[in-house]
Amino acid sequence: QSVLTQPPSVSGAPGQRVTISCTGSSSNIGAGYDVHWYQQVPGTAPKLLIYGNSNRPSGVPDRFSGSKSGTSASLAITGLQAEDEADYYCQSFDSSLRGSVFGGGTKLTVL
Amino acid sequence: EVQLVQSGRGLVKPGGSLRLSCAASGFTFSTYRMNWVRQAPGKGLEWVSSISSSSTYIYYADSVKGRFTISRDNAKNSLYLQMNSLRAEDTAVYYCAAGFLDWLIEYWGQGTLVTVSS
Repeated sequence: QSVLTQPPSVSGAPGQRVTISCTGSSSNIGAGYDVHWYQQVPGTAPKLLIYGNSNRPSGVPDRFSGSKSGTSASLAITGLQAEDEADYYCQSFDSSLRGSVFGGGTKLTVL
Repeated sequence: EVQLVQSGRGLVKPGGSLRLSCAASGFTFSTYRMNWVRQAPGKGLEWVSSISSSSTYIYYADSVKGRFTISRDNAKNSLYLQMNSLRAEDTAVYYCAAGFLDWLIEYWGQGTLVTVSS
């Protein structure tokens, strides 16, 4: 059971918009710690997608956006493309565990 | 170009030991927090350990505390993970990972498979 809760899967047709939620608690997201998002194509290393809740690293399309409110965060992907099919993970810090925590991951299927 | 090149993959018997290494280049290694993150077959990412830039602060997940030791050598731009008393549940791909801002991971190594089996 992951400290940060994500839906196991989401899906959408090309061109559509999907969102992935990441629910934490008062010892991690709710305590004000930043949330980061990673994209992982199976068989490869994860790649940083969103940092500091809503910032995109250079090279990440603006179709990807992040937000945070209270004890939750969300990743939104607009204009879905086949290449977006991957696993997505949120990450933050937990003050009770005194370490980094990841969500369980969400598999995005582009229909 | 940033590179994190890992070595040390292997098959180990339960109770055995293994040392993973990670050689960094393309960024100022001595200013980055370094981490180990693992991924069991078919499972999600699990943070294992973190070491601050000057080795002052070290953290471990409860699942490995007392068995794993993280260390770094800034003169050699290298990160290490000494794994002792290995268990079947430690079987995973282990990633070396670097971040400048607290707990953010900007760069990832290619991953190295550790299999614990008799």
